[in-house]
Amino acid sequence: GQSLEQPSEVTAVEGAIVQINCTYQTSGFYGLSWYQQHDGGAPTFLSYNGLDGLEETGRFSSFLSRSDSYGYLLLQELQMKDSASYFCAAGSNDYKLSFGAGTTVTVRA
Amino acid sequence: DVKVTQSSRYLVKRTGEKVFLECVQDMDHENMFWYRQDPGLGLRLIYFSYDVKMKEKGDIPEGYSVSREKKERFSLILESASTNQTSMYLCASSPRDRGWITGELFFGEGSRLTVL
Repeated sequence: GQSLEQPSEVTAVEGAIVQINCTYQTSGFYGLSWYQQHDGGAPTFLSYNGLDGLEETGRFSSFLSRSDSYGYLLLQELQMKDSASYFCAAGSNDYKLSFGAGTTVTVRA
Repeated sequence: DVKVTQSSRYLVKRTGEKVFLECVQDMDHENMFWYRQDPGLGLRLIYFSYDVKMKEKGDIPEGYSVSREKKERFSLILESASTNQTSMYLCASSPRDRGWITGELFFGEGSRLTVL
């Protein structure tokens, strides 16, 4: 089975840095993905980590440690438009992508 | 841009009714998925398909079935709707290799189903 844990809520001010942690228990683990979803919108793909280490995409970075079954999404220079829900998702070798419950990020002025 | 279109944004059905949720993608993707999203539970995989006429059970297939007669279309069927199937249903697609290697799915806007 698959199990992913992430915090339910994070609040920060504009310009700050936020780290969303994700721990997983996934049989046949393949890699960790991150998605963003604004209220009323579709989830959109942000990043993927197949190997240990940091992947950087503009203001967002994602990290994976396979030995710790742990990853995180780092949001830098927070902007109001970053207020959204963020989901980690674990891919497994049975072709499934299992999602965490999501972290609601609220950015305050 | 990849477009995944779900036929209905909002549906209200009665207990026991048969419900069809339709999803069409325009990028010739091999893989298609149906998830349901509930507050506090994230997205849970119902069924997926990696080719026409092929289907695989996800984590919560009970009470659902699917149909994939054409590559671009993936339908979710609730044979006899129940109140615990009230939820947001999300369809997604991905190219075969990239989707399974990178976990990059393209989602539709969702269909919010209420079963009374």
